[in-house]
Amino acid sequence: NAGVMQNPRHLVRRRGQEARLRCSPMKGHSHVYWYRQLPEEGLKFMVYLQKENIIDESGMPKERFSAEFPKEGPSILRIQQVVRGDSAAYFCASSPTGTGADTIYFGEGSWLTVV
Amino acid sequence: GEDVEQSLFLSVREGDSSVINCTYTDSSSTYLYWYKQEPGAGLQLLTYIFSNMDMKQDQRLTVLLNKKDKHLSLRIADTQTGDSAIYFCAESIYSSASKIIFGSGTRLSIRP
Repeated sequence: NAGVMQNPRHLVRRRGQEARLRCSPMKGHSHVYWYRQLPEEGLKFMVYLQKENIIDESGMPKERFSAEFPKEGPSILRIQQVVRGDSAAYFCASSPTGTGADTIYFGEGSWLTVV
Repeated sequence: GEDVEQSLFLSVREGDSSVINCTYTDSSSTYLYWYKQEPGAGLQLLTYIFSNMDMKQDQRLTVLLNKKDKHLSLRIADTQTGDSAIYFCAESIYSSASKIIFGSGTRLSIRP
């Protein structure tokens, strides 16, 4: 049973380009969370999604960032017109029910570098 | 409000015990966690404790929770070089759709 799969693991983008980060949750999990880790900081919650629905996006920047979790396929975190401050590690997590938080599993992360 | 605080650095001698401390502010937290992160890697869930427990032990790891003071600690017995990492304290806020609030991490270094 594969864990939470994220790709790409490392991504380099020039300022102004778009970054797309993908997350495939664990088999049987329909709840996905995205977190961002800035250098030398802890993880900050960004967004919580269920299939085809955004449940909580209180941690998402108001502009340039969007997330989706379609009925088929992985969850996508999209960052438009990237800036240097977007350079960070982006972690995805999944859970089967969205409750009982001990069952949240994290992926290995996607490291975005904006040059 | 939601806030988790921990000291940034801890240095211990190999073979000694490490104690990493954490304070949190939200009294409605349900689970409290300790995660380990090695350089360039993801998060490894080390252990967690339900908020109505005082203590949990798992091999070399002991978690203590003082709910009155909102203080959580992680003790690593017989610290080894492989324990060098950043340790994150985190809490889940059940009322907020299970999102987890992380501290900034404590960097544990081991000296010979």
